Amino acid sequence: KNQVEQSPQSLIILEGKNCTLQCNYTVSPFSNLRWYKQDTGRGPVSLTIMTFSENTKSNGRYTATLDADTKQSSLHITASQLSDSASYICVVSARTGFQKLVFGTGTRLLVSP
Amino acid sequence: DTEVTQTPKHLVMGMTNKKSLKCEQHMGHRAMYWYKQKAKKPPELMFVYSYEKLSINESVPSRFSPECPNSSLLNLHLHALQPEDSALYLCASSQDFQETQYFGPGTRLLVL
Repeated sequence: KNQVEQSPQSLIILEGKNCTLQCNYTVSPFSNLRWYKQDTGRGPVSLTIMTFSENTKSNGRYTATLDADTKQSSLHITASQLSDSASYICVVSARTGFQKLVFGTGTRLLVSP
Repeated sequence: DTEVTQTPKHLVMGMTNKKSLKCEQHMGHRAMYWYKQKAKKPPELMFVYSYEKLSINESVPSRFSPECPNSSLLNLHLHALQPEDSALYLCASSQDFQETQYFGPGTRLLVL
């Protein structure tokens, strides 16, 4: 069964600190992995996308890693800001006739002043 | 223009009402999607349109009726909804089936 699991479920950090979010998946056949940021009541916004051959991808203060052998990914946020408070969703695509997205349940991050 | 727009932002309707959600993109994308998202849950795929034709219907009840009038527009017609249909409805588009999906801001629907 295709599944994406994320940890922790929720996280509170102080402004300026770093944090790392985890994603484990059992999606097959694997196509790519994306991290999305979703503010409450808003649509998800893509942060990074990685294919099988990519190990790391950065987007400003966001750095994603992918280990295709262990089927794990992480999202590292550096020097957190209050605006980083949101849900971060790991989404894995299965290589089917179309990009079937398998969504994780997300990590809710709260950056506290 | 690199965004997906959705209207209205919020909608409150009774169970006997008929309403429509609208989605628009001008990125030349040929695949468009409707998702339903309940609070604290991941989005669930409802429909996929490719080249203006319905390609996938994820066993969605007939009270939800999608329509793709042209390559830039996607509608979701609502009729005789139930309170449990209250959710955030997200539209997304992609260049084609294999490309990154871009999401709209969503329509928050409340069915009374």
